[in-house]
Amino acid sequence: DAKTTQPPSMDCAEGRAANLPCNHSTISGNEYVYWYRQIHSQGPQYIIHGLKNNETNEMASLIITEDRKSSTLILPHATLRDTAVYYCIALKGGSQGNLIFGKGTKLSVKP
Amino acid sequence: DAGVTQSPTHLIKTRGQQVTLRCSPKSGHDTVSWYQQALGQGPQFIFQYYEEEERQRGNFPDRFSGHQFPNYSSELNVNALLLGDSALYLCASSLAGQGRGTNEKLFFGSGTQLSVL
Repeated sequence: DAKTTQPPSMDCAEGRAANLPCNHSTISGNEYVYWYRQIHSQGPQYIIHGLKNNETNEMASLIITEDRKSSTLILPHATLRDTAVYYCIALKGGSQGNLIFGKGTKLSVKP
Repeated sequence: DAGVTQSPTHLIKTRGQQVTLRCSPKSGHDTVSWYQQALGQGPQFIFQYYEEEERQRGNFPDRFSGHQFPNYSSELNVNALLLGDSALYLCASSLAGQGRGTNEKLFFGSGTQLSVL
């Protein structure tokens, strides 16, 4: 699975959009980009995933560059409850649960 | 609809003891994965169970073993506990065979916090 690189921490004002970057320059054509987040004292929570097209769901949007070497997770209107560690993971379908979590980005949403 | 449930929530053991952690998957899910999360680190994959068999294993010693039951629930067993086994143990469930990358859409429980003294 491709290695991903994320900034260790970011701040965002409440109500503003939070844009979390992820670099995955060695990603292969059959690897998906997954985003999870972990709020303190809870298990990780699935947010969104994509292969090459941009994706949107009720939680967030995922923008993947055309060359697939990087992506951005967008939380359109961040709230205090979005304060968490966000993990970007690149992996093939059929990885049989073997998600490789790095250190992620600690997002702090401030009033 | 109950999500992934794990028991117990907290556990204290001493070195050399054995421990069993339990997990019930989200309703409708047939696959269970286990993770270990040390303080300040991301979760590390231990193994995955599907159709009552271990399907894939991470870099963990044989002291870590598991089981999946016909109702899809699962147990994680750790023998000969070491101080370094102190961690949050997470169970995640999923539904196999969905394709389009959704096999890795895991639903996690809140974990069992294991302290080894």
